[in-house]
Amino acid sequence: NAGVMQNPRHLVRRRGQEARLRCSPMKGHSHVYWYRQLPEEGLKFMVYLQKENIIDESGMPKERFSAEFPKEGPSILRIQQVVRGDSAAYFCASSPNRIFTGTARNTEAFFGQGTRLTVV
Amino acid sequence: KNQVEQSPQSLIILEGKNCTLQCNYTVSPFSNLRWYKQDTGRGPVSLTIMTFSENTKSNGRYTATLDADTKQSSLHITASQLSDSASYICVVTLYGGSQGNLIFGKGTKLSVKP
Repeated sequence: NAGVMQNPRHLVRRRGQEARLRCSPMKGHSHVYWYRQLPEEGLKFMVYLQKENIIDESGMPKERFSAEFPKEGPSILRIQQVVRGDSAAYFCASSPNRIFTGTARNTEAFFGQGTRLTVV
Repeated sequence: KNQVEQSPQSLIILEGKNCTLQCNYTVSPFSNLRWYKQDTGRGPVSLTIMTFSENTKSNGRYTATLDADTKQSSLHITASQLSDSASYICVVTLYGGSQGNLIFGKGTKLSVKP
């Protein structure tokens, strides 16, 4: 059972280009979470998706960022017209059930190895 | 403001020695607290999860403690190994609500030297 797979591991984009980050959850996991980590900072929640649905996107910037988790295929985090400030490590996590809630406190989430985006 | 503060920011110890990492939080209402290990260039890996009713939890050479009254947690590493070199992240969850109620500390960077 492979872990959470993210690709690419490293991505370089020029300002104004689009960045597409992919996340394949662990087998049997239908919940996906995206986080962003700036240098010397903690991880920050971006969006939570469950197959074909966005459950919580309260951490997503209002413009240029979007996410999807189609019925078939990986979850995609899309950043349009990238700027230098988008340079960061983007981590995806998956879980079999909804995590971090009062009734499922000990449901674990597994993280991928991240995609390091560099905007030049 | 809900915050998670970790100390020290970085730590260097010799192989075989013990160390303790600290986490103070101001998150309320509290659901649970997790410690993660993040190797350089990799994603976080869970070490322990504790609810407010749990005072201590061990995972091999890692022992986490939680004092919900003082809102403090510690992670104790016994007989350190070179492979323990990593960042250790404390994560506190707000009770209920959205997934955005997951507050990450900035981590303590541990270096174990031979």
